[in-house]
Amino acid sequence: DQQVKQNSPSLSVQEGRISILNCDYTNSMFDYFLWYKKYPAEGPTFLISISSIKDKNEDGRFTVFLNKSAKHLSLHIVPSQPGDSAVYFCAASASSGAGSYQLTFGKGTKLSVIP
Amino acid sequence: DVKVTQSSRYLVKRTGEKVFLECVQDMDHENMFWYRQDPGLGLRLIYFSYDVKMKEKGDIPEGYSVSREKKERFSLILESASTNQTSMYLCASSRDIEGYTFGSGTRLTVV
Repeated sequence: DQQVKQNSPSLSVQEGRISILNCDYTNSMFDYFLWYKKYPAEGPTFLISISSIKDKNEDGRFTVFLNKSAKHLSLHIVPSQPGDSAVYFCAASASSGAGSYQLTFGKGTKLSVIP
Repeated sequence: DVKVTQSSRYLVKRTGEKVFLECVQDMDHENMFWYRQDPGLGLRLIYFSYDVKMKEKGDIPEGYSVSREKKERFSLILESASTNQTSMYLCASSRDIEGYTFGSGTRLTVV
């Protein structure tokens, strides 16, 4: 059973507009969330994270929002640039309990930013 | 910066061959992981290790084994390669909840 879901396999956005990538989770023990970006033929790279004690974290053009009651997080990219075209993975972990060092990944969303 | 190095970027192997994928990290991380990435399936955990000589099965361990003789090195072994093991293989390391650092990946093709 998928504990982290990215329901949109792909997303296309015009350059300069906002990209919003969504992620839902089912495990209420998750309290730390990350986004990774992956280009073809490369390993994923860390983009931004958020702890469950916050509802927003911002880093330049990237903002992650967390809605704990809805078990939902989103990544906003403003403004979108062609170099943002990549696959974005949402990931979650629990800070305690068995396997607390493990990340659970979603299936990814492929973002295409059109010039 | 943490560096995770995978020994090969591209590999082509024949069906039935024994294949070794090597991964080395340089930041003394306790935890190491092997994933495979396939279109539409995301990142699937094959095996992980939280200490030297320790290993745990992930979600899809069948057809694979691992070895961790030293803290910095985590090897993935395909005992008898099959065409359905053609994939992108990703190694990662981590310390606790900080998140993973991934290697660049190995694109394995089994013919």
